[in-house]
Amino acid sequence: AQSVAQPEDQVNVAEGNPLTVKCTYSVSGNPYLFWYVQYPNRGLQFLLKYITGDNLVKGSYGFEAEFNKSQTSFHLKKPSALVSDSALYFCAVIITGGGYNKLIFGAGTRLAVHP
Amino acid sequence: DADVTQTPRNRITKTGKRIMLECSQTKGHDRMYWYRQDPGLGLRLIYYSFDVKDINKGEISDGYSVSRQAQAKFSLSLESAIPNQTALYFCATSGPGQGLSEQYFGPGTRLTVT
Repeated sequence: AQSVAQPEDQVNVAEGNPLTVKCTYSVSGNPYLFWYVQYPNRGLQFLLKYITGDNLVKGSYGFEAEFNKSQTSFHLKKPSALVSDSALYFCAVIITGGGYNKLIFGAGTRLAVHP
Repeated sequence: DADVTQTPRNRITKTGKRIMLECSQTKGHDRMYWYRQDPGLGLRLIYYSFDVKDINKGEISDGYSVSRQAQAKFSLSLESAIPNQTALYFCATSGPGQGLSEQYFGPGTRLTVT
């Protein structure tokens, strides 16, 4: 079955340290991958996407993600975490077929950045 | 002003009641979506609409219905609410781009069914 997985419910990191939020996927055909962030009492905000091209994708707020086809992964990274990065992060993948493209979300990973 | 708005933001209702959640957007997008968010489950698609005359069921449409009143408005109804429909509901829109464009989300409606 086509799916996306976020293996960590929560990631804890100290402010100033690098952070990684993991995402793996399983799709038939080309993978189209997204990261969204949800701050408390807010809707989801788009961070970045991989459609084609360079495996390293840069997005909003200093985040980047690396597409790794052999490991079927799309991990979100940031070189130096901020307390304000604390939020819920969702990886998502587009499932194609049936004449439409549908976005499937992972369960989410809560990032906590400690001062 | 927000590009995607949802009303109400919070609602408590009783089992068996009919309730409507409304979504409006000013982004000029044709595509609109309704999702529900449950802890540990991410977001799941309820219904989606690619234009005013095109409405499709998502993965969890049972117990829900929708209406696309105009390009900018997409409403979600629960005809007879039940407690397991307690969740956070999001409306989203996306532009053209063969379905590969990012989605823009409203602030959400927190619905509690008692």
